Amino acid sequence: KAGVTQTPRYLIKTRGQQVTLSCSPISGHRSVSWYQQTPGQGLQFLFEYFSETQRNKGNFPGRFSGRQFSNSRSEMNVSTLELGDSALYLCASTRGDSAATNEKLFFGSGTQLSVL
Amino acid sequence: AQSVTQLGSHVSVSEGALVLLRCNYSSSVPPYLFWYVQYPNQGLQLLLKYTTGATLVKGINGFEAEFKKSETSFHLTKPSAHMSDAAEYFCAVSTILTGGGNKLTFGTGTQLKVEL
Repeated sequence: KAGVTQTPRYLIKTRGQQVTLSCSPISGHRSVSWYQQTPGQGLQFLFEYFSETQRNKGNFPGRFSGRQFSNSRSEMNVSTLELGDSALYLCASTRGDSAATNEKLFFGSGTQLSVL
Repeated sequence: AQSVTQLGSHVSVSEGALVLLRCNYSSSVPPYLFWYVQYPNQGLQLLLKYTTGATLVKGINGFEAEFKKSETSFHLTKPSAHMSDAAEYFCAVSTILTGGGNKLTFGTGTQLKVEL
């Protein structure tokens, strides 16, 4: 079974630009979560999608958005990039249904975003 | 709000020595606790998970953790360190979200160095 796949692996952007990151979950998983990892703030929850709907959102500005497609693949978008957005963005998938609450998250290798 | 605290941002051990990585949790409800490992330039890999039941949890690669409610701790141990164990380790607690699903709240991580 293929794992969680994130593309691209590395991105370099300049301030003010926007960026889109992609995540393909494990087959059969309907929940995709996104996390931001920085040396200063550690790992922080961005949002979670389930069945094409944003089900939960962390404490990030509106510049951070996402969506999920009918095949459960998810994209995350950051607009008007700032230097502080430089981070490793990780996505994780789970089945996401109520019977699977608190089940483990399977993480991808991440997209390393550098904002210059 | 549920949280975890990892004591010691850097731990150094000799190859063959005991590994002990500390994690304390704060939760008003029975917690679901996890240990993840992150190797350089990679995503997070689950080592082990505590839900309910047995307080000693065995994970992959010879790691185990003991849940101690009286001490609100979930420390990670391995009897004999190997060079390949050098990585960053994260303790996390799962929070059920109002919209359904759950998110992980991570500790700040402990970088484990294994020396010859």
